[in-house]
Amino acid sequence: QSVLTQPPSVSAAPGQKVTISCSGSTSNIGNNYVSWYQQLPGTAPKLLIYDNNKRPSGIPDRFSGSKSGTSATLGITGLQTGDEADYYCGTWDSSLSAVVFGGGTKLTVL
Amino acid sequence: QVQLVQSGAEVKKPGASVKVSCKASGYTFTTYYIHWVRQAPGQGLEWMGIINPSGGSTSYAQKLQGSVTMTSDSSTSTVYMELSSLRSEDTAVYYCARGPIAARPPFDCWGQGTLVTVSS
Repeated sequence: QSVLTQPPSVSAAPGQKVTISCSGSTSNIGNNYVSWYQQLPGTAPKLLIYDNNKRPSGIPDRFSGSKSGTSATLGITGLQTGDEADYYCGTWDSSLSAVVFGGGTKLTVL
Repeated sequence: QVQLVQSGAEVKKPGASVKVSCKASGYTFTTYYIHWVRQAPGQGLEWMGIINPSGGSTSYAQKLQGSVTMTSDSSTSTVYMELSSLRSEDTAVYYCARGPIAARPPFDCWGQGTLVTVSS
């Protein structure tokens, strides 16, 4: 059971937009920055979004992040088949003094 | 370029220990923390702990206290994660990941992963 809650799967057609939610509490998302990671099949996770809504160099602006209260959202526009991957949210939990992740969301581009 | 290169796959028997290495390059080793994250087959990411390569201070996930030890060697820019008293549930891919001095996410560079299989 993950501390952060994500939907197990989402799907959309190529070219469309999808959002992935990440729900937590005041001890984690509510008072700490959220980051998002993309894990393509058989590879290590890759940083997509940090500090709630910032993109590292090289990440296209099709990827966006937002946070409101104790929830965060990853948005992906102009979906491509290459975006099929597992997506994880992560943050610091001040009560646990630990990094916590969501259970991951599998994106299928139909 | 910034890189974290991990040691190769391991197969261990229950009750044994395993030590995985993570060699950093492309940046000043002591200016970033290193976290360890594991992923059991078909499962999500689980944070294991963190080490400050400058001085070697550590913080471990409560679940792993007493069974995990993280160390660093500044002379070779290498961090080590040792897990003892292995059980089948420890079968996973183990990743090292670089994080800022704030000792929390984001993790902007990850190692390629090391598969540890625990089987009799």
